[in-house]
Amino acid sequence: DSGVTQTPKHLITATGQRVTLRCSPRSGDLSVYWYQQSLDQGLQFLIQYYNGEERAKGNILERFSAQQFPDLHSELNLSSLELGDSALYFCASSMSGGPSTDTQYFGPGTRLTVL
Amino acid sequence: ILNVEQSPQSLHVQEGDSTNFTCSFPSSNFYALHWYRWETAKSPEALFVMTLNGDEKKKGRISATLNTKEGYSYLYIKGSQPEDSATYLCAFSVRGSQGNLIFGKGTKLSVKP
Repeated sequence: DSGVTQTPKHLITATGQRVTLRCSPRSGDLSVYWYQQSLDQGLQFLIQYYNGEERAKGNILERFSAQQFPDLHSELNLSSLELGDSALYFCASSMSGGPSTDTQYFGPGTRLTVL
Repeated sequence: ILNVEQSPQSLHVQEGDSTNFTCSFPSSNFYALHWYRWETAKSPEALFVMTLNGDEKKKGRISATLNTKEGYSYLYIKGSQPEDSATYLCAFSVRGSQGNLIFGKGTKLSVKP
């Protein structure tokens, strides 16, 4: 158990809908990263928050947004869903916010299926 | 575009065989290299973080080496066991970035008893 929790575990929804994925980092970790794992792709970095502030953006679509709350949990909002958004979404956390040798600890992931 | 290549894509070995996989990454602006082990239906689990050229890390039967000048890392598993079956991911971070990792697609290892 990495100490990172994600809910829900599975989500099935229809095209055009909006969903929210939730992540609680390990105790003491200030950084939260969101990654997307699509079929035949490596883990793709979406966005990073550090202590409530957005720190870095990767290949995140405009239809997607995220935030990190004062208690450090984070939410990833996906809207106007398309079939191609079906993927495994991981959250990871680490202590620091910049490049470091800190390990990123991964949650169990949320499997999103868009029908 | 920063890319991480892992080879082979998949590997099938017999219990007791030793095996190794390769991770190639851009050597310029390198900061750190991470190896993860990802079992089906579980979270990726960190194995090693390496930063220095020539670094070598070991955890039980698993070890890794790093060459930052030529941009590659090897992961070795000695005497593979069925419980080593997993996808092994490597990822690197770039100097000047905020710490996000760039992942390869992984090497899927299956160990037959």
